[in-house]
Amino acid sequence: EDKVVQSPLSLVVHEGDTVTLNCSYEVTNFRSLLWYKQEKKAPTFLFMLTSSGIEKKSGRLSSILDKKELSSILNITATQTGDSAIYLCAGNNAGNMLTFGGGTRLMVKP
Amino acid sequence: DGGITQSPKYLFRKEGQNVTLSCEQNLNHDAMYWYRQDPGQGLRLIYYSQIVNDFQKGDIAEGYSVSREKKESFPLTVTSAQKNPTAFYLCASRSIDRGNRNEQFFGPGTRLTVL
Repeated sequence: EDKVVQSPLSLVVHEGDTVTLNCSYEVTNFRSLLWYKQEKKAPTFLFMLTSSGIEKKSGRLSSILDKKELSSILNITATQTGDSAIYLCAGNNAGNMLTFGGGTRLMVKP
Repeated sequence: DGGITQSPKYLFRKEGQNVTLSCEQNLNHDAMYWYRQDPGQGLRLIYYSQIVNDFQKGDIAEGYSVSREKKESFPLTVTSAQKNPTAFYLCASRSIDRGNRNEQFFGPGTRLTVL
């Protein structure tokens, strides 16, 4: 059975801090790893990672995949209150099915 | 606007009742999915459909049923057999034409509460 684990479960930081969210996966016939941001409702897509060691970046957010360690990290620099959300990672297998982790709840205080 | 809509936003159900959650998309996506999210947990797959008139059970299909009569629509029925239906339900869709990309787009969700 595929499994994705995220850590920490929750995190409280102050504006301007840098945070690192972790995701480890055990996915049979792994194809890619996806990160989503969930505020009040629908998760919104952030990144899809397929190759090890290649950083993907979007503004203050960046992510990288380590296929050897079966893990990924999501970094957020200079955090803002608008970054407060649940961050979900999901492993994608050869059948194009996603297995989600439990999420990391990030709260950024002013 | 292209997107995925879910209705209702909030739904209250008495024990023993069946309820149907709506999911509609105008993205011309082939694949559609239903997930359940409980507090502090990630998303768990209930059912999915890759093509009209075909659907497959996910990890937690017991007590749920679906239909896929039209490409745009994938309603989920929560039956009285579902023992703990109170949860947040998310519908998603994906374009199979994108090949290996599995970027699923999500609707706004329906929060179901059993009274």
